[in-house]
Amino acid sequence: EAQVTQNPRYLITVTGKKLTVTCSQNMNHEYMSWYRQDPGLGLRQIYYSMNVEVTDKGDVPEGYKVSRKEKRNFPLILESPSPNQTSLYFCASSAGTHSYEQYFGPGTRLTVT
Amino acid sequence: QKEVEQNSGPLSVPEGAIASLNCTYSDRGSQSFFWYRQYSGKSPELIMSIYSNGDKEDGRFTAQLNKASQYVSLLIRDSQPSDSATYLCAVTMYSGGGADGLTFGKGTHLIIQP
Repeated sequence: EAQVTQNPRYLITVTGKKLTVTCSQNMNHEYMSWYRQDPGLGLRQIYYSMNVEVTDKGDVPEGYKVSRKEKRNFPLILESPSPNQTSLYFCASSAGTHSYEQYFGPGTRLTVT
Repeated sequence: QKEVEQNSGPLSVPEGAIASLNCTYSDRGSQSFFWYRQYSGKSPELIMSIYSNGDKEDGRFTAQLNKASQYVSLLIRDSQPSDSATYLCAVTMYSGGGADGLTFGKGTHLIIQP
């Protein structure tokens, strides 16, 4: 089954404790992206990647890091999480840099206390 | 800065009627336009994409694009209670040297009344 998977689905952590949210797709997609969704603010892009070893900032990259060492994986790293990073996070992928028909993972609900 | 505007709603439509959802965008260079449906607590699901002016139909859904007016809309015919969801408009611009990301509107909450 073609899909985007994220882990963990739910995470409660404390301020400053480094964490990684994994994202993997099995569709051989070139493009992958991370978003956060907050009430009243909608979906906002954090980082995106057009191919292996190619990443770029989205609209709200502060406090986040990403890497793309393999085509199928695109982890999101929070090196020192803060409460304002409490949010619902989505990973997405699409077939090519010219195709923005993005398919979303199930989401990760993160709470930072 | 790219902006995508949608009426947040809720938009209430009787079952069987046509639901009309609207979206405007600020960047004249935008080239690709998408409608996503998001049920509460779930991830966005792509339902329509449109790349050129005019109408595009897929089943009960029709997307309409007018680049001169910077306007894109989604029509849902024969609305069903299962269409009740938040509909997100998304826009992107391919900048030649690389791909820009999607910019989403905040969504319109649609309620189909049985």
